[in-house]
Amino acid sequence: EPEVTQTPSHQVTQMGQEVILRCVPISNHLYFYWYRQILGQKVEFLVSFYNNEISEKSEIFDDQFSVERPDGSNFTLKIRSTKLEDSAMYFCASSEAGAGGGLDTQYFGPGTRLTVL
Amino acid sequence: RKEVEQDPGPFNVPEGATVAFNCTYSNSASQSFFWYRQDCRKEPKLLMSVYSSGNEDGRFTAQLNRASQYISLLIRDSKLSDSATYLCVVIPNSGYALNFGKGTSLLVTP
Repeated sequence: EPEVTQTPSHQVTQMGQEVILRCVPISNHLYFYWYRQILGQKVEFLVSFYNNEISEKSEIFDDQFSVERPDGSNFTLKIRSTKLEDSAMYFCASSEAGAGGGLDTQYFGPGTRLTVL
Repeated sequence: RKEVEQDPGPFNVPEGATVAFNCTYSNSASQSFFWYRQDCRKEPKLLMSVYSSGNEDGRFTAQLNRASQYISLLIRDSKLSDSATYLCVVIPNSGYALNFGKGTSLLVTP
């Protein structure tokens, strides 16, 4: 069964450093997403991406964050200058279609645990 | 007001029991509804979509009441492997973002 993959599984960084989290969405999917989950809290939406541009972003997704699809398979989330409060599990997800259609189910990767020291 | 509210539990039930979870959402124009399951420190996994007419998948039954803005999940004949956190998820009328509830924790005991 096709699945979303993410690397690394765990990233430890110093405050102020840049990190890039990587994702390989399911191959025939056209919509890509990043979510995060701070320990003990709910899963929160960060950004959605379609046709090589951001289609929606949340208030969390400020200027410190950026996303990119550098090639035909990878989808990345960059945090330019990490803060302690960026420590969380970051999930990538993908779907065949956008919301409202029968193909809008979002499938999640296993996540990258980001620890900012 | 939280957009998606769930009773956090935990619900502790014996194997074979029937258990029901409820969820309310605040945006009356929400268009898509799901139940996801999340095991400890793992990714959310889709359990089932929720349709207006109600739908069933094996031991799991989901119901949607748009008038009351209420979603339910019923699990019959609980198994040990059902132990997890169940996430109520809603997509608002515009956009793509999944709005998650904080989840309801279920522990099925022998």
